[in-house]
Amino acid sequence: SQQGEEDPQALSIQEGENATMNCSYKTSINNLQWYRQNSGRGLVHLILIRSNEREKHSGRLRVTLDTSKKSSSLLITASRAADTASYFCATPYTQGGSEKLVFGKGTKLTVNP
Amino acid sequence: KAGVTQTPRYLIKTRGQQVTLSCSPISGHRSVSWYQQTPGQGLQFLFEYFSETQRNKGNFPGRFSGRQFSNSRSEMNVSTLELGDSALYLCASSLGLAGVAGRNEQFFGPGTRLTVL
Repeated sequence: SQQGEEDPQALSIQEGENATMNCSYKTSINNLQWYRQNSGRGLVHLILIRSNEREKHSGRLRVTLDTSKKSSSLLITASRAADTASYFCATPYTQGGSEKLVFGKGTKLTVNP
Repeated sequence: KAGVTQTPRYLIKTRGQQVTLSCSPISGHRSVSWYQQTPGQGLQFLFEYFSETQRNKGNFPGRFSGRQFSNSRSEMNVSTLELGDSALYLCASSLGLAGVAGRNEQFFGPGTRLTVL
């Protein structure tokens, strides 16, 4: 399966701390995306990193990509209670002529005030 | 600019029935993708429509079908509902094709929560 896997499955931290989530995938990719989902709601696109990029920043988010290890990490700095959500990595996958976006199972982040 | 809207937001059906879900993309977006999210299987890609044609398809049975209209609005239909079809169904729109491949950013709607009894 191409499905990425996030690690850890759940993470609980205090406000102001940093949160790091990891994603591993199985086949070569052109890009990797990170999404956030607040409880039972739609996904919000956070950041896309291409295979020729090693690191990308967006506000308090920092994403790294190591294609040799087939892994990515998402760092949220100075976390806030509003960052409480599930975070998913997603990678493109082609099968039988169809392209699709494959999501991992997600990391559930809880930021305690 | 209004976001992606999905109707209805909640739906309860019984086994064997069929259901139609609707998705209105962001104005100007031509691609609509559908996803199923369950606690057990996570987020799974159903299909992507662009310019009224299905361009990409996931690994779901033929009971799951969709279509896209000339105004880019999309509907998803599930026939002969099974208990396992209970899920949050999400649609996402993007400007161009292959939003699923990351070539265009996808914007997700709030989802339709379907419960099959």
